[in-house]
Amino acid sequence: DQQVKQNSPSLSVQEGRISILNCDYTNSMFDYFLWYKKYPAEGPTFLISISSIKDKNEDGRFTVFLNKSAKHLSLHIVPSQPGDSAVYFCAASTGNQFYFGTGTSLTVIP
Amino acid sequence: KAGVTQTPRYLIKTRGQQVTLSCSPISGHRSVSWYQQTPGQGLQFLFEYFSETQRNKGNFPGRFSGRQFSNSRSEMNVSTLELGDSALYLCASSLAPGQGVKLFFGSGTQLSVL
Repeated sequence: DQQVKQNSPSLSVQEGRISILNCDYTNSMFDYFLWYKKYPAEGPTFLISISSIKDKNEDGRFTVFLNKSAKHLSLHIVPSQPGDSAVYFCAASTGNQFYFGTGTSLTVIP
Repeated sequence: KAGVTQTPRYLIKTRGQQVTLSCSPISGHRSVSWYQQTPGQGLQFLFEYFSETQRNKGNFPGRFSGRQFSNSRSEMNVSTLELGDSALYLCASSLAPGQGVKLFFGSGTQLSVL
């Protein structure tokens, strides 16, 4: 039972444009959400997080939006750079356990 | 500060064998969790240890086990390996379990079962 879903396995974006990665979840008990970035042959690295009491969190080029009523999370990258090409995982937590999505492979085309 | 260290990086085994993977968390981190990553399946939670006690276990068969030592280092063991166990095994550490914590991942152990 996949409680966190990333329905787009891949996404291609031109350099300089916006990348929007989406994530849906089913468990209303999730209270903390995170995005991780993973390069090949490396472990995932933390990118940005958001608590369920907020609907937006920004860190430089990265912004995460949370829509609790829709149980939807999105990551915006503006502007996209070739170095952003990686697999992005969203994750959700109840404080007891983390649940990860299946990942979206982002390719930023120079 | 050194990151999460996993050894070995690569492992090739045959069906029926057993394997032990090792994880050293970031200094000061007392919580260690393990994940299995396979193509199309994302990161599947195996188990979490805190203060040498298993806090949580994912939906994996009993062939998958783990433990944590007093210095917070952790090992996971897979017995009677099957072809489907081929995956990247990731270890993550955090200061402690609970709300609002971030996981810090190692580079993983790539296990191939032939």
